[in-house]
Amino acid sequence: QQQVKQSPQSLIVQKGGISIINCAYENTAFDYFPWYQQFPGKGPALLIAIRPDVSEKKEGRFTISFNKSAKQFSLHIMDSQPGDSATYFCAAMSSYGNKLVFGAGTILRVKS
Amino acid sequence: EAGVTQFPSHSVIEKGQTVTLRCDPISGHDNLYWYRRVMGKEIKFLLHFVKESKQDESGMPNNRFLAERTGGTYSTLKVQPAELEDSGVYFCASSPPGLALGTGELFFGEGSRLTVL
Repeated sequence: QQQVKQSPQSLIVQKGGISIINCAYENTAFDYFPWYQQFPGKGPALLIAIRPDVSEKKEGRFTISFNKSAKQFSLHIMDSQPGDSATYFCAAMSSYGNKLVFGAGTILRVKS
Repeated sequence: EAGVTQFPSHSVIEKGQTVTLRCDPISGHDNLYWYRRVMGKEIKFLLHFVKESKQDESGMPNNRFLAERTGGTYSTLKVQPAELEDSGVYFCASSPPGLALGTGELFFGEGSRLTVL
């Protein structure tokens, strides 16, 4: 049973466009929602994270939007650049737990 | 400062053989995790060490998998005997001590790709 569902599997965006990746979760105990970015041949690295006490968090061109009632959260990449081409994983966990639950990943390609 | 290092980066073995993966966490990180990603699927939790103790091994698939963490430093993950479905990328990650995962981040290695033929 997949606890965090991520879509789309892959995404192609033109340079300067907006990339949007969506995730949905089921476990209402989850209260920490990070996004990890992985470049080919590298390990995933934390990009941005949010807690459910806020509905949005922005860091530079990256924004997480969070909808607690719908149990959904999404990553928006504004002004997407070719250097943003990577695999993006959403994840979730409970503060009382010890492990992250990941989505299946989205392969983003930004065309120049 | 060195990051999380994993060895080997890629291993190709035949079904029934044994493979041992190694992870060196960031110095001073008491928490060490093993995760696995089967092609195209989610990154799945395998187990969590705090220093040398197994805190949670609920994600280990079966008793063909054995993880150890000697002296609370590096960790090994042995698969014996390997099966076709064990193919995937095995990630090791670490995080600092006394920092609940929910308030910090995981530092991942580059992964060990295992191919079982």
